[in-house]
Amino acid sequence: NAGVTQTPKFQVLKTGQSMTLQCAQDMNHNSMYWYRQDPGMGLRLIYYSASEGTTDKGEVPNGYNVSRLNKREFSLRLESAAPSQTSVYFCASSVGASSYNEQFFGPGTRLTVL
Amino acid sequence: AQTVTQSQPEMSVQEAETVTLSCTYDTSESDYYLFWYKQPPSRQMILVIRQEAYKQQNATENRFSVNFQKAAKSFSLKISDSQLGDAAMYFCAYRSPSGSARQLTFGSGTQLTVLP
Repeated sequence: NAGVTQTPKFQVLKTGQSMTLQCAQDMNHNSMYWYRQDPGMGLRLIYYSASEGTTDKGEVPNGYNVSRLNKREFSLRLESAAPSQTSVYFCASSVGASSYNEQFFGPGTRLTVL
Repeated sequence: AQTVTQSQPEMSVQEAETVTLSCTYDTSESDYYLFWYKQPPSRQMILVIRQEAYKQQNATENRFSVNFQKAAKSFSLKISDSQLGDAAMYFCAYRSPSGSARQLTFGSGTQLTVLP
């Protein structure tokens, strides 16, 4: 039981390049989330998917797109990377979108945009 | 919008002693959820404890307990009998029961060092 997995673990991009961060969970969870963590700050929600087939914007969605490929997988795409997107990205999942449900986090992807 | 404030960027504690991490939040809602997450050097976010605002009783999980003061909008974490493995960044988080995102709003974190 791997929980929430993310690939890659590290990535360096040049300004303007694109890339997709992958996330998968094997817990049969309905809801999935993408967060970013900047130095000295807590995590901020980028996008979330309450259930398969739905996606919604979070607090900081600009510059990102997401795809809920199936129940297991939720990807985050940067179409034209900018230095301001240098951050650590976390994917999370929960049984449902209820506020009480625990969110389980992946190990994170450290992204640097030069 | 809700905000979460952790006023202690760094704390230290001797092994086996007790430490309290502070958290305050701002909200106009009466029902919500509060969480403490631990982030060790591995970066993995781990849920430590959670509290439902409508419950007056403070949550407890083994050596971890909270002091939830709803009127004061305060939610502190007490770690008893501190162990070396408790060293980590600790984040306080708020979650609304409603709204389109029901997102977790995190504080900026407190780095806890455990001294042997």
